[in-house]
Amino acid sequence: GENVEQHPSTLSVQEGDSAVIKCTYSDSASNYFPWYKQELGKRPQLIIDIRSNVGEKKDQRIAVTLNKTAKHFSLHITETQPEDSAVYFCAASSPGNQFYFGTGTSLTVIP
Amino acid sequence: GAVVSQHPSRVICKSGTSVKIECRSLDFQATTMFWYRQFPKQSLMLMATSNEGSKATYEQGVEKDKFLINHASLTLSTLTVTSAHPEDSSFYICSARDQGSAGELFFGEGSRLTVL
Repeated sequence: GENVEQHPSTLSVQEGDSAVIKCTYSDSASNYFPWYKQELGKRPQLIIDIRSNVGEKKDQRIAVTLNKTAKHFSLHITETQPEDSAVYFCAASSPGNQFYFGTGTSLTVIP
Repeated sequence: GAVVSQHPSRVICKSGTSVKIECRSLDFQATTMFWYRQFPKQSLMLMATSNEGSKATYEQGVEKDKFLINHASLTLSTLTVTSAHPEDSSFYICSARDQGSAGELFFGEGSRLTVL
């Protein structure tokens, strides 16, 4: 089955700096890679996703890159703000199959 | 995006009792729903995949008789924690895949179970 690894587990950045979270996956059949943000006690919220037919996707301060050959994808948050503080999860999936989640990254943005 | 509603959000019960958690897809039909358990500061642990009209598929190590899953309609799946014990206390989250939204996964609000 699929194995998704995520690094780092914790990340602290100064407000305004950039944050990068990286994930690797093992199953070449995976073709959908979403990122979720989860605040304490709340549900994970989809913040951005990418499919295997593109290498990069951007939405305002958030971007995701995908390297299919190396089987890794990354989340980039620029101009971080305190409200970006949360736990971020990457995931990998293929059509009709379950989602496999990374172990999560706790991001703290220091004002 | 699609909406998944989960109820109750919090439940406290006595040891030995059973608790039912409902997961509903409000604006789309979900032939498949997923149930996760999440421990504090940890990732989402898939417990089982709920399939409409058939038996759920449980992950290794998850007790079928302990965590009963029923997916009776295209918009409702239920998780029943039977004979609950304190070690069952956890955050349980359901999710559903919206095929109409290119297969995106949407989560319910989660249910915080505390077994006394």
